[in-house]
Amino acid sequence: AQSVAQPEDQVNVAEGNPLTVKCTYSVSGNPYLFWYVQYPNRGLQFLLKYITGDNLVKGSYGFEAEFNKSQTSFHLKKPSALVSDSALYFCAVRERSGNTPLVFGKGTRLSVIA
Amino acid sequence: NAGVTQTPKFQVLKTGQSMTLQCAQDMNHNSMYWYRQDPGMGLRLIYYSASEGTTDKGEVPNGYNVSRLNKREFSLRLESAAPSQTSVYFCASSEDATLNTEAFFGQGTRLTVV
Repeated sequence: AQSVAQPEDQVNVAEGNPLTVKCTYSVSGNPYLFWYVQYPNRGLQFLLKYITGDNLVKGSYGFEAEFNKSQTSFHLKKPSALVSDSALYFCAVRERSGNTPLVFGKGTRLSVIA
Repeated sequence: NAGVTQTPKFQVLKTGQSMTLQCAQDMNHNSMYWYRQDPGMGLRLIYYSASEGTTDKGEVPNGYNVSRLNKREFSLRLESAAPSQTSVYFCASSEDATLNTEAFFGQGTRLTVV
């Protein structure tokens, strides 16, 4: 069965510093990987996805993520954090075969401090 | 640009009452999903519908039923609400559960069972 782990419940970073939100996954075979962001009292918004090809994926709002097959990781990164990046971030995985839905991690709350 | 629309946005039920959460999407997506979000638990899949006419159980289906009324609409029913079903419920849709397409989320329904 597929699963996602986000080892940090909370990440704090100063504005202007680089940020990383960690994600590891477990699936049979190769995965589709996604990052979503949730602002207060809102639904989830898609940030970026890894399908195939280049291991570094660029997404919305300056975010990027690096797929590392050997470490089964898909960490979310941004070179320079903004206060407005403060939100709840979810990593999600889907197997490539079959009618499998997205499986989400528990989420990581990012707090960017001015 | 409605996307995924959920109704109601808020609901308070007494234990044992029943209700149906409605979800509609206008993106001609094949797949639809119901998730619940609880603090520290992330998003957990309740049921999904890979295509019109099919439904499948997710991680936490007990106490719920679903109906894929047509391609646009996917409802979630609580037959006899329990306090453990207090949660925020999200409906989502994607073009196809077998492809690498991201899911789009509604704004959520905040349900309290007293």
